[in-house]
Amino acid sequence: DTAVSQTPKYLVTQMGNDKSIKCEQNLGHDTMYWYKQDSKKFLKIMFSYNNKELIINETVPNRFSPKSPDKAHLNLHINSLELGDSAVYFCASSHVSGANVLTFGAGSRLTVL
Amino acid sequence: SQKIEQNSEALNIQEGKTATLTCNYTNYSPAYLQWYRQDPGRGPVFLLLIRENEKEKRKERLKVTFDTTLKQSLFHITASQPADSATYLCALAISGAGSYQLTFGKGTKLSVIP
Repeated sequence: DTAVSQTPKYLVTQMGNDKSIKCEQNLGHDTMYWYKQDSKKFLKIMFSYNNKELIINETVPNRFSPKSPDKAHLNLHINSLELGDSAVYFCASSHVSGANVLTFGAGSRLTVL
Repeated sequence: SQKIEQNSEALNIQEGKTATLTCNYTNYSPAYLQWYRQDPGRGPVFLLLIRENEKEKRKERLKVTFDTTLKQSLFHITASQPADSATYLCALAISGAGSYQLTFGKGTKLSVIP
């Protein structure tokens, strides 16, 4: 019954590889997000999707690309991984209207060697 | 430049006391402010929301105040318990592009000592 689930929970890979993290929500929310939490614990927004449309795209390298096949899923693809990409990536969702309270997944810890 | 500061990286208090966490911001005009709790290895969990025209909100042992003149929110946990030990994040909701974007502070790690 997990509201926002993301896989994998842990991902260890070599520099230069391409990887994906998947996210699914069963809350009926219409907006989904990807956040990055680095080693200093800052939680920064990367992307959000509303009705399959990208509405926020912060200054993230274009090696990162979100893909949303439907309203309940938002996957994150990362190409040519770099050491600095090591972080915990959180998926979240919310209703687009109202106070925008976020429900987060448990996080995916990416380690680039 | 825009900043959100949570004054203490870590706060230790004795069980039963009131914990007070501070969130200050500059160069933002948030429509509302939210507080989240994050436990190790988990995602943040929403606790409370307060709007710009509200001074105070309560939920059980939690209380949030919001002073838009001082640009500050205080988060209180009364009768603190060891189970309250966690990192607490404040987040500002800024209006833009037809929706609100949440910008998070770095968090304060609270430890409640038995």
